Amino acid sequence: QVQLVESGGGVVQPGRSLGLSCAASGFSFSIFGMHWVRQAPGKGLEWVAVISDDGRNKFYADSVKGRFIISRDNSKSTVSLQMNSLRPEDSAVYHCAKGGLDVGGSWRPEDWGQGTLVTVST
Amino acid sequence: QSALTQPRSVSGSPGQSVTISCTGTSSDVGGYNYVSWYQQHPGKVPKLMIYNVTKRPSGVPDRFSGSKSGNTASLTISGLQAEDEADYYCCSYAHLRNVFGPGTEVTVL
Repeated sequence: QVQLVESGGGVVQPGRSLGLSCAASGFSFSIFGMHWVRQAPGKGLEWVAVISDDGRNKFYADSVKGRFIISRDNSKSTVSLQMNSLRPEDSAVYHCAKGGLDVGGSWRPEDWGQGTLVTVST
Repeated sequence: QSALTQPRSVSGSPGQSVTISCTGTSSDVGGYNYVSWYQQHPGKVPKLMIYNVTKRPSGVPDRFSGSKSGNTASLTISGLQAEDEADYYCCSYAHLRNVFGPGTEVTVL
């Protein structure tokens, strides 16, 4: 079955950078779009970014555009999120999620990983 | 601040029906048939319950149904059960981005 395992979270100072990674297994990784979605402690879900199956197309939430970069390595079945110029409001659990395959499905987070916690604080 | 609005909470007794609304604009909910609903129990990962407004993934009970009218999408839970007590989030495609609603807490009385 689908398995998504995030790593790389931790405590980082404001203004610094952090990289997250998500290892995927149990499905044909290279044909699915992949997402990052975050959830601050006790708060709701916030979509962060999506990358197309071939990695050519990348789209971001306004709140992270210009600071975060999503990428993928289909040979390793991994998707990454490079987070730069971090702010306290970026503190959250970051989940990677697999998209769907039907029309419009690539835009839909379907299966989610457990997430990795990022805390931005002095 | 979410671009979509949901009621903060809804409640119902076992066996009753509850409906959660998700109101957006013609730029998101009203403009595309790409509304999804997620169920999240405390400490758990969100689970996809409805996609493309009305479709249910395999394994989701048929007491969960979705609909849309204009700029408002709705999730209805019929025959409410104790295990349905959770937070529910709507999500809409909105031209090269996704937006989530703030979430609705469903309480089974």
